[in-house]
Amino acid sequence: DQQVKQNSPSLSVQEGRISILNCDYTNSMFDYFLWYKKYPAEGPTFLISISSIKDKNEDGRFTVFLNKSAKHLSLHIVPSQPGDSAVYFCAASGSIDAGKSTFGDGTTLTVKP
Amino acid sequence: EAQVTQNPRYLITVTGKKLTVTCSQNMNHEYMSWYRQDPGLGLRQIYYSMNVEVTDKGDVPEGYKVSRKEKRNFPLILESPSPNQTSLYFCASSLASSGRYGYTFGSGTRLTVV
Repeated sequence: DQQVKQNSPSLSVQEGRISILNCDYTNSMFDYFLWYKKYPAEGPTFLISISSIKDKNEDGRFTVFLNKSAKHLSLHIVPSQPGDSAVYFCAASGSIDAGKSTFGDGTTLTVKP
Repeated sequence: EAQVTQNPRYLITVTGKKLTVTCSQNMNHEYMSWYRQDPGLGLRQIYYSMNVEVTDKGDVPEGYKVSRKEKRNFPLILESPSPNQTSLYFCASSLASSGRYGYTFGSGTRLTVV
């Protein structure tokens, strides 16, 4: 049973436009949701997170939205830049088992110049 | 420079020959973890550790062992590697709760078992 799902394997966006990456989860016990970015031949890099008590968190061009009733979160990148082209992973974690972090399969974002 | 260092970067071995992948962090982080990444399967957690001598299973622990004798080190041990353990492995560390602070990842170890 996959608890964190990213249903879109890939997304292509024009430079300057908005990129929206989506993630769904099934476990209502998750307390934190995170996004990581991964370039080829490198490890994932933590991008932004949101606590389950919030519905929005913003950091520069990156905003994460959480809809708890739908068990859905999304990452918005505005404006998108070619350097944003990477694989984006959604992850979720609880407070009790704080070392356990469950990842989705990833979405490959391509930003075209 | 704050980092997670894992070695080796690449390793080819034969079935059944015990191996250890080392992982070290210099950030005084409490939490450490191992993940494997396979095509189409994302990152799956193998083991994690909340502190010295405290470890717990992730989602795919079978065939792996870990130890946390010192805060900075968290080696991954494959006692009898099999071809289905061919994968890209990542070590990671976190200041405290991995949800609140996020994991810092190493650059990866690509393991091939023939």
